[in-house]
Amino acid sequence: EVQLVESGGGLVQPGGSLRLSCAASGFTFSSYEMNWVRQAPGKGLEWVSYISSSGSTIYYADSVKGRFTISRDNAKNSLYLQMNSLRAEDTAVYYCARDNGIADYFQHWGQGTLVTVSS
Amino acid sequence: AIRMTQSPSSFSASTGDRVTITCRASQGISSYLAWYQQKPGKAPKLLIYAASTLQSGVPSRFSGSGSGTDFTLTISCLQSEDFATYYCQQYYSYPPYTFGQGTKLEIK
Repeated sequence: EVQLVESGGGLVQPGGSLRLSCAASGFTFSSYEMNWVRQAPGKGLEWVSYISSSGSTIYYADSVKGRFTISRDNAKNSLYLQMNSLRAEDTAVYYCARDNGIADYFQHWGQGTLVTVSS
Repeated sequence: AIRMTQSPSSFSASTGDRVTITCRASQGISSYLAWYQQKPGKAPKLLIYAASTLQSGVPSRFSGSGSGTDFTLTISCLQSEDFATYYCQQYYSYPPYTFGQGTKLEIK
């Protein structure tokens, strides 16, 4: 069974940093592209970042480019999101999501971790 | 970026009703469209991909259609567990992957 478990969320002040982790199990992590998707309170879904299976290709949403860094450790079956220069508008539940191996829809999702940016 | 627009944003229906949600892309996306269901406090769940292919385990009362710019999600006979928010997502052109704003389906 595919499992994705996010951690690392919490309360942080504006301008601060936070690192999210996503622990994967139940599949060959190194074979799949991964993404971060977020959802602000009461709002819709917003794609944040993508990383290819090898880590060689990375994309970011314009809203986080230059502030967030996605990475992965295939030996540890883990995905990360380093978030710097956090703003109030970054407050959201952050989900890690796996594609299906062929096409880029999000077949599996974690339960999410809440990031709150507030003073 | 491709803009995805869903309609309606919310509506009320009754158990047993047939309901249709529409998703329109700002440019053609072939059939590279997915539908998700999200219940309060839960992660989204994939329902349909490639515009009309039902994800394994999803009840057959859900169906999707369309190609190009216009797509629909239909629930043929609403059950109580179907009251949720539904999102479409294009994966034709990226980055960015883009979602519709969501359609909240409420009990009448």
